[in-house]
Amino acid sequence: TQLLEQSPQFLSIQEGENLTVYCNSSSVFSSLQWYRQEPGEGPVLLVTVVTGGEVKKLKRLTFQFGDARKDSSLHITAAQPGDTGLYLCAGGQGYSTLTFGKGTMLLVSP
Amino acid sequence: DTGVSQDPRHKITKRGQNVTFRCDPISEHNRLYWYRQTLGQGPEFLTYFQNEAQLEKSRLLSDRFSAERPKGSFSTLEIQRTEQGDSAMYLCASSLMGVSTDTQYFGPGTRLTVL
Repeated sequence: TQLLEQSPQFLSIQEGENLTVYCNSSSVFSSLQWYRQEPGEGPVLLVTVVTGGEVKKLKRLTFQFGDARKDSSLHITAAQPGDTGLYLCAGGQGYSTLTFGKGTMLLVSP
Repeated sequence: DTGVSQDPRHKITKRGQNVTFRCDPISEHNRLYWYRQTLGQGPEFLTYFQNEAQLEKSRLLSDRFSAERPKGSFSTLEIQRTEQGDSAMYLCASSLMGVSTDTQYFGPGTRLTVL
């Protein structure tokens, strides 16, 4: 069984702070996707990473895929209240279903 | 724009009733997935289709659940004889097989409450 563990489960910070959330597994994935989900809505895709060691930047968000393709991190610089939400990582094995972590709930206060 | 849409967005039903949800994927996407998400958890896979063929079903999909994608476009998920444990957010996603990664795009979900 493939499992993705996310940490921390919950993070409450002030506007302007930096943060990193982690996604770890003992399994190798061919791709890893990060989503953000707001209450009562579906997950919205942020990024897909596919190459070990790959780093992608999306404005203030930096995503990294581990060299062994078993782990990933999401770093947010100067967090804003609009970044509040549930951050989910999901691992894929080619053309198949996704395995999701439980998510990191981020609360950014003004 | 034509992202993934789901209908209804919310459904409240009494235990023992049948419910049906609809998902319309992104128009050129040939793969369609159903997931279930409960509070505090990430989405859990239920089943997926490639075109009209149902290729995989999770052990979570009991015999009270049935999904169809008759023409390879929209899909329906039916739950018969609903139970309180069926209360969850039901999410649909679609993807286009043939690109280098199977990136899935999600709809807004249908929130089911079984009383």
